[in-house]
Amino acid sequence: NAGVTQTPKFRILKIGQSMTLQCAQDMNHNYMYWYRQDPGMGLKLIYYSVGAGITDKGEVPNGYNVSRSTTEDFPLRLELAAPSQTSVYFCASSSSASGNTIYFGEGSWLTVV
Amino acid sequence: GQNIDQPTEMTATEGAIVQINCTYQTSGFNGLFWYQQHAGEAPTFLSYNVLDGLEEKGRFSSFLSRSKGYSYLLLKELQMKDSASYLCAVDNYGQNFVFGPGTRLSVLP
Repeated sequence: NAGVTQTPKFRILKIGQSMTLQCAQDMNHNYMYWYRQDPGMGLKLIYYSVGAGITDKGEVPNGYNVSRSTTEDFPLRLELAAPSQTSVYFCASSSSASGNTIYFGEGSWLTVV
Repeated sequence: GQNIDQPTEMTATEGAIVQINCTYQTSGFNGLFWYQQHAGEAPTFLSYNVLDGLEEKGRFSSFLSRSKGYSYLLLKELQMKDSASYLCAVDNYGQNFVFGPGTRLSVLP
């Protein structure tokens, strides 16, 4: 059972570099999310999508971009990486109806130096 | 606005009972989730409350009072493996789940 798959699991970036965190789900979920979690803190929503072709900003979208060309994939792009973007990133998905469980990927540990 | 509060840390003894509180003020509310997160891992689902009252699931129970904007997670017969962070999250009509800061629980022998 694949569920939500994120890659890469670990990455070190230099300041100013760009990269894309990949996320794919095989549960046919319409809703997908990107969260970041700083050490000892809760999850903060970066972007979310309610379906292919539709994306919306969350609480902390600055410095990030997303796209949703298919139901399965929801990549997160970091442009001009900054040390403040050092964090753990979680992709998640849920089915359309409210009240359905969010399923998380295993996380991507990103360090910007 | 969105505001969810939880205690930062709690400590309890193996075999004991612990209650982790969560208070919330959000622009929308359809229900409240509790998630468990072990260090270095992704959050995993524990419970979901829509209606007021207590939901029991084995050693874990979750309570909700919508009128008071309050929920708690009750863990009984604590085990060492229960040492983790516990996150409450408001289901904002399925489009935006708002997570609290999490409570780090340490279970001591």
